[in-house]
Amino acid sequence: EDQVTQSPEALRLQEGESSSLNCSYTVSGLRGLFWYRQDPGKGPEFLFTLYSAGEEKEKERLKATLTKKESFLHITAPKPEDSATYLCAVLNTGTASKLTFGTGTRLQVTL
Amino acid sequence: DTEVTQTPKHLVMGMTNKKSLKCEQHMGHRAMYWYKQKAKKPPELMFVYSYEKLSINESVPSRFSPECPNSSLLNLHLHALQPEDSALYLCASSQGIGGGTDTQYFGPGTRLTVL
Repeated sequence: EDQVTQSPEALRLQEGESSSLNCSYTVSGLRGLFWYRQDPGKGPEFLFTLYSAGEEKEKERLKATLTKKESFLHITAPKPEDSATYLCAVLNTGTASKLTFGTGTRLQVTL
Repeated sequence: DTEVTQTPKHLVMGMTNKKSLKCEQHMGHRAMYWYKQKAKKPPELMFVYSYEKLSINESVPSRFSPECPNSSLLNLHLHALQPEDSALYLCASSQGIGGGTDTQYFGPGTRLTVL
């Protein structure tokens, strides 16, 4: 059974204080790993798709990396508007379209 | 543009009511999904439509009935719901299934409250 574990559960940063969120996964065959951002009461907003170990993607203050066992979402010099829950999910090559989500990291960035 | 729209934004219904949730996308995506999300939990997959055919039903109770009238629209018909069905219902779409087309784009959700 596919498993996704995200850590920490919650993270509080000061504005400008860089950090990383971790997503550890166990899957028999990885089709893709996805990062989403979700604001309270809203739908998840797509951030990145990573397909193979060693792949990296960047968008503004965010950078996602992938190894064979985990993915990191690096946040550089965060701003208060980066406060949200960040969800990681994996797709198994054998289960077509069913995303397995982690429970998320709740990020709060304060002034 | 990667926009999925959902209506209504909020819905309150009694246990004997019949209502429908609607989802629309104009990105030419051929796979559409319904998810249910409870507070502080990740989304849970309910149904998947691929090329307008139901391809996955995650053992969802029959009081939830999906419908895909065409490639752009997805409905979720609700009947005789229970209070524990109160949740955020999310629609998503992807270009396809497999071959690098898997990225799912989510709508804003419908907040459903069952009294």
